[in-house]
Amino acid sequence: AQSVTQLDSQVPVFEEAPVELRCNYSSSVSVYLFWYVQYPNQGLQLLLKYLSGSTLVKGINGFEAEFNKSQTSFHLRKPSVHISDTAEYFCAVRVDTGFQKLVFGTGTRLLVSP
Amino acid sequence: DGGITQSPKYLFRKEGQNVTLSCEQNLNHDAMYWYRQDPGQGLRLIYYSQIVNDFQKGDIAEGYSVSREKKESFPLTVTSAQKNPTAFYLCASTSGRINNEQFFGPGTRLTVL
Repeated sequence: AQSVTQLDSQVPVFEEAPVELRCNYSSSVSVYLFWYVQYPNQGLQLLLKYLSGSTLVKGINGFEAEFNKSQTSFHLRKPSVHISDTAEYFCAVRVDTGFQKLVFGTGTRLLVSP
Repeated sequence: DGGITQSPKYLFRKEGQNVTLSCEQNLNHDAMYWYRQDPGQGLRLIYYSQIVNDFQKGDIAEGYSVSREKKESFPLTVTSAQKNPTAFYLCASTSGRINNEQFFGPGTRLTVL
């Protein structure tokens, strides 16, 4: 079964510092990967997605992620974070089993402090 | 503006009562989903529907029921059989095309007293 692992439940960082949120997946078939962001008491918003092509994917709000097939990873990065980036981030893999299903990781809470 | 609406945003119910959460979309999407979110557990799929008048159980369907009488609407009923219903519930939809992601509503926080 396909699964997603986000090893870091919480990542504290100072404003303007770089950050990397880790995501590893397990899949034996074609991989479609997503990063979503969730602000408190809100729904999920898509940051970026990898479907095929270039392994470096750029998303909204200055985030980017790199698909690494050999390491089965899809880590999210931002070179300089802002206070407003404080939120929960979810990595997800899409499973096509007759319908499109997303399997989510447990999430990483990014805490940006001044 | 196209999007997904969920109502109400906060819902309180007594134990043993059924409650229905609303989800409406005007994106003309065929597929709709219900997820449950608990702290530290990510999102888990409750039910999904690919077309009108058809729906399938997800990973944690016990104690929940749905209907899909209209393309735009996919209400979720949390029944008294659900042993731990307090959670944040998210509705999502997608066009189903291979390059399209799922779009999410703002969520409903259900608290059972």
